[in-house]
Amino acid sequence: DIVMTQNTLSLSVTPGQPASISCKSSQSLLLSDGKTYLYWFVQKSGQSPRLLIYEVSNRFSGVPDRFSGGGSGTDFTLKISRVEAEDVGVYYCMQSKELPFTFGPGTKVEIQ
Amino acid sequence: EVQLVESGGGLVQPGGSLRLSCAASGFNFSNYGMSWVRQAPGKGLEWVSAISRSGNKTYYADSVKARFTISRDSSKSTLYLQMKSLRVGETAIYYCAKEGAVVGIGYLQYWGQGTLVTVSS
Repeated sequence: DIVMTQNTLSLSVTPGQPASISCKSSQSLLLSDGKTYLYWFVQKSGQSPRLLIYEVSNRFSGVPDRFSGGGSGTDFTLKISRVEAEDVGVYYCMQSKELPFTFGPGTKVEIQ
Repeated sequence: EVQLVESGGGLVQPGGSLRLSCAASGFNFSNYGMSWVRQAPGKGLEWVSAISRSGNKTYYADSVKARFTISRDSSKSTLYLQMKSLRVGETAIYYCAKEGAVVGIGYLQYWGQGTLVTVSS
């Protein structure tokens, strides 16, 4: 199975400041079709997960442009350019290059 | 608006069975694959199973293979997860999720609110 790692389990950020969340996979998520199957989700307290970014860097509909995704191969990053209070939650990366799909352990973002 | 509403959760004894449902609306159900993902209390996310849009291909995590069965009824726009021989460690919120592309699986675009399954004696 592909192991997804998020080394930072908790991140405390000052509103208005940037934040960066990293995610690493145990093998490359680049498939022969040229796509890289890495996704980012956020789960706010008491809610179901919500898609933020698909295929590394594509913002899902309705996601504010302060969120951006990047990376390649095995190393990926979710960036929030200016954190807002509503961004509090747990951020998960997920790979769907191969079965079973696997998630990172999550990074909890808190506001200072 | 895409809506996914799970139901069927509840308290079940170890070794027991339960069938979860996910009623879908707001999109053409027949055009998209679907998945189940679970989350144990206070823990992370675990993919459980997926089904192709036609229903002819199904996929399972090793931990549930041969005990769980995913299926769909396009006439009812409903996804199912039949669970047998449930274990205490499978207590979790079970979410259904809609695929984001008409081809393939793994692009979990929309999620339901989840249904809680508690396995306990």
